[in-house]
Order: sequence, then C-alpha cells, then structure tokens
Amino acid sequence: EIVLTQSPATLSLSPGERATLSCRASQSVSSYLAWYQQKPGQAPRLLIYDASNRATGIPARFSGSGSGTDFTLTISSLEPEDFAVYYCQQRSNSITFGQGTRLEIK
Amino acid sequence: EVQLVESGGVVVQPGGSLRLSCAASGFTFDDYAMHWVRQAPGKGLEWVSLISWDGGSTYYADSVKGRFTISRDNSKNSLYLQMNSLRAEDTALYYCAKDRLDGYTDGDAFDIWGQGTMVTVSS
Repeated sequence: EIVLTQSPATLSLSPGERATLSCRASQSVSSYLAWYQQKPGQAPRLLIYDASNRATGIPARFSGSGSGTDFTLTISSLEPEDFAVYYCQQRSNSITFGQGTRLEIK
Repeated sequence: EVQLVESGGVVVQPGGSLRLSCAASGFTFDDYAMHWVRQAPGKGLEWVSLISWDGGSTYYADSVKGRFTISRDNSKNSLYLQMNSLRAEDTALYYCAKDRLDGYTDGDAFDIWGQGTMVTVSS
C-alpha cells in the first residue's frame, strides 16, 4: 500500500498569507495525485487532479506541483473561506489518502 | 444540478448487515465509475470501493474485501454498498463519489460527492 504523509499536521496562518502544504508518497505515484478541501460538516471538494490541474470552478489562488514522491499544494493568498482540512489522494496503486493538514486561522 | 444522495445508514450490531444506496442525478450516470469513501468520526478519508461504469469491474480496500459488495443499477441511476459482517471499526460516514473520468478507469479523482450517510456499528 502506498502511504501518503502530509505535513504539517496543522498550519496556522493569517488571511492574505501564502500557504504551502506538503504530501509525500512512500513510493512514486507519478503525477497521479489529487488534493481536496473539507470544511466542517461538509463533503470534500476536489481542488487539484493529476498533481497540477485545477478542477472546475477552483480559484486560481490554488495551485499544485510535484511528481514522483513529493507534492505541494499552494494557496497564494489566503481568503477567510480557505481555512479547512486538506487531503491528498493517490491513484497510482489502488487509492489512498493522506491523513490531512488542518489550516487554521492564526 | 449534479447531485448524489446517500441513504440507508443506521445503527447496527456487530456481525450485522446493511445496504447503503446512492441516488445520482444531473449527469449521465452510466458513463462514469463510482466509488464509496468513508470517514470515521473525527478521522480522515478512507477509500472503500470502486465499480466501473458498466458494473463489470469492482475493486475493494483490503479492510473490507470479502465483507462488502459494491453494485449499481444504471437503469435507476443508483449505486449500492452491501455491508456484511460489520465491525465496530466500520463505524463511519459513508460517501458516494463520482469518478472524474468517463469510460473505463481503475480510479482517478472524485469530482462529485454526496453528503454522506452515517453507519454506526455498536451493541
């Protein structure tokens, strides 16, 4: 099983700041990595697929990068609605998720 | 409007059985593979199962293999999850999710999610 490790577990930032979230795979997943946002009481929402492609309707402040084992989700300038939990997910070998990064308001 | 609506979640005793349903609308259901993903209370996401657009291929997480069965009825735009031999660790919110890719896929990303149905396994 491919294990995805997200860091940090919690990230405390202020609106307007830049957020950088990391996802590391235990073996190469090529570019088969997606990112999701989940707010309390809501279903997850797809942000990025295939490492760097924004899903439909996702604002340009969200960007993804990386390949192989190291991936990054960047939010260029945080809006109040961006504070949530973020998960990465791979589909290279079966399907697994990372444990999540909580982005909280500082 | 594209929508997935899950139902069937209840409290069930360990060793019991349950069938979850997911009603799809707003897209061509039989063009897409579909998934079940679960989330235990206060925990992260866990992929459970995938079924191809035509029902011909199914995949399962090791944690549920041999106990859960995924199926679909394209004439009813519906997805199902038959859950047998339930354990306490199966307690979770179960989401139905649409695969991003149409046609055959062994799993991509999940671009549409339902709101989930809660399954609690407890005596």
